[in-house]
Amino acid sequence: DAGVIQSPRHEVTEMGQEVTLRCKPISGHDYLFWYRQTMMRGLELLIYFNNNVPIDDSGMPEDRFSAKMPNASFSTLKIQPSEPRDSAVYFCASSFENSQETQYFGPGTRLLVL
Amino acid sequence: SQKIEQNSEALNIQEGKTATLTCNYTNYSPAYLQWYRQDPGRGPVFLLLIRENEKEKRKERLKVTFDTTLKQSLFHITASQPADSATYLCALVNQAGTALIFGKGTTLSVSS
Repeated sequence: DAGVIQSPRHEVTEMGQEVTLRCKPISGHDYLFWYRQTMMRGLELLIYFNNNVPIDDSGMPEDRFSAKMPNASFSTLKIQPSEPRDSAVYFCASSFENSQETQYFGPGTRLLVL
Repeated sequence: SQKIEQNSEALNIQEGKTATLTCNYTNYSPAYLQWYRQDPGRGPVFLLLIRENEKEKRKERLKVTFDTTLKQSLFHITASQPADSATYLCALVNQAGTALIFGKGTTLSVSS
């Protein structure tokens, strides 16, 4: 298996622009997670899905952030409009059955908002 | 609220020595705790999981302890090598059992 796939790997955009991050989880995994990592705050959970259904989005910072999972093999995290404080590395992770055990992380998308 | 601390941002040791990293938590009793390794520019990689009823778990040169009285986990790497240099994150399941909370990590540097 190729592991969790994320695209793009790097994104540079200007404040106010829409940003869409993409994730393909490991085939057969029931849970998908979106995290954000910064030096100041570390790794923070934004939202997670179980069988394509959003379960907990309490970590989503504000209404500018939205996430979807239209099918078992694809998820998106959208920021609209983007702001400089959104600059971070965004990770997608997936796991099988039990959401809290062994999560497999993708390589991340490094986002820079100018 | 649940709080997790890794009380060393950086740890520098000589090759061959044992590295010991600490993870402390407050305000609740997690059912289990995990350790992840993260290399620069990459996502975290799962290493070990230890449950509340397990005092110690080992995997090759790695050893994790879990003291629910002290609310602390220790992560040991014996016979450390330069290839062990990375950031190590501890993670706890939250009190609701719905998500992992990660510490900020300890960056280990092993010099030859």
